[in-house]
Amino acid sequence: QKEVEQDPGPLSVPEGAIVSLNCTYSNSAFQYFMWYRQYSRKGPELLMYTYSSGNKEDGRFTAQVDKSSKYISLFIRDSQPSDSATYLCAMSDGGLTGGGNKLTFGTGTQLKVEL
Amino acid sequence: EAQVTQNPRYLITVTGKKLTVTCSQNMNHEYMSWYRQDPGLGLRQIYYSMNVEVTDKGDVPEGYKVSRKEKRNFPLILESPSPNQTSLYFCASSLGTVIGEQFFGPGTRLTVL
Repeated sequence: QKEVEQDPGPLSVPEGAIVSLNCTYSNSAFQYFMWYRQYSRKGPELLMYTYSSGNKEDGRFTAQVDKSSKYISLFIRDSQPSDSATYLCAMSDGGLTGGGNKLTFGTGTQLKVEL
Repeated sequence: EAQVTQNPRYLITVTGKKLTVTCSQNMNHEYMSWYRQDPGLGLRQIYYSMNVEVTDKGDVPEGYKVSRKEKRNFPLILESPSPNQTSLYFCASSLGTVIGEQFFGPGTRLTVL
């Protein structure tokens, strides 16, 4: 069983829709949670970085973390065609088990926002 | 511009021919790391470095070597590449050694025939 599970999609939505992306994880040591966006033929770029449980909002993006359920989500409001990309969740334990700033990634969800 | 650069971006080689993929960052970051990305498996860490001359294995280190002689550079060495090392490789760096945003390079697509 993978430490981080993420539905690969693809997910296709109309422009303006609210998108919900999520990941589940099994390692209770994870305490830092990230969402990266990866366009085709590019490196991942950080969208959201959160610590422990709770919500964080940045423009059209909201990240939620529920550590009791080991479940994290990313919501995209008013989705745009430019949001079409692969979204990767990533987590770390803050170096608690060694490995420094090691990230454990989900496999990514491919999102397409259509006009 | 703050960035992580990798070279080459694309490489096709043959089994057993030693190669090096370079990685450089201009942000004075302490932590550097190499990941490989494969379909259905996501990004997996190969090696990491927490400072100059300090390197350690990640989850999939077999067949790879690294070095960190200068803070800005973290090359990935494949001494005898094999077809199962065909993958998309990313270098990343962060200011913090245990937490903090990791910045990724543009990737190197390697094909080993």
